[in-house]
Amino acid sequence: DAGITQSPRYKITETGRQVTLMCHQTWSHSYMFWYRQDLGHGLRLIYYSAAADITDKGEVPDGYVVSRSKTENFPLTLESATRSQTSVYFCASSEPGTSVGYEQYFGPGTRLTVT
Amino acid sequence: SQKIEQNSEALNIQEGKTATLTCNYTNYSPAYLQWYRQDPGRGPVFLLLIRENEKEKRKERLKVTFDTTLKQSLFHITASQPADSATYLCALPGAGSYQLTFGKGTKLSVIP
Repeated sequence: DAGITQSPRYKITETGRQVTLMCHQTWSHSYMFWYRQDLGHGLRLIYYSAAADITDKGEVPDGYVVSRSKTENFPLTLESATRSQTSVYFCASSEPGTSVGYEQYFGPGTRLTVT
Repeated sequence: SQKIEQNSEALNIQEGKTATLTCNYTNYSPAYLQWYRQDPGRGPVFLLLIRENEKEKRKERLKVTFDTTLKQSLFHITASQPADSATYLCALPGAGSYQLTFGKGTKLSVIP
């Protein structure tokens, strides 16, 4: 089906392990985003990408790495997971048009628990 | 720094009434503002976008206003239904291109 998918949907890992969360979109949108959502903080931007091979930091990038070798994929890696990275992670995509302001389309989320 | 406040963490309303949610912002002159709906266990879903030169926008039972003088947006759901129960997020342009900064959301519960 067309859309934006994330995998895995649920993940439990141990402190210090490397974890990669996958995001795939079928719309060929230029922009892709990674957010984390925590109680009391709302959605916070981790990294975003304007196109393949172009990425930039958001509000809370520390401890995370991203890559974008293909337009449709935008994996997020936690190099050495910490308990503070326990959260729900959302991927989103967007396609700029000619007018101001562009909606974002979100995936279903990955619930990550770091023990 | 930019700040977005959604005044109520939770709002309970009787079915059939109009729900009004508030989004205030400071240190901002946004070109537009967006509203999203989020259901439990799901990602946010885009509802409406209103630009700075638009005072009001409607979509079915939804109405959004944007007062750049007050630095406030109001989100109205008329004839509310239990199916409207969800968390509603406002979002404004972020620091970089095409980024959004989200408010913490208001959880709306429509009581039958």
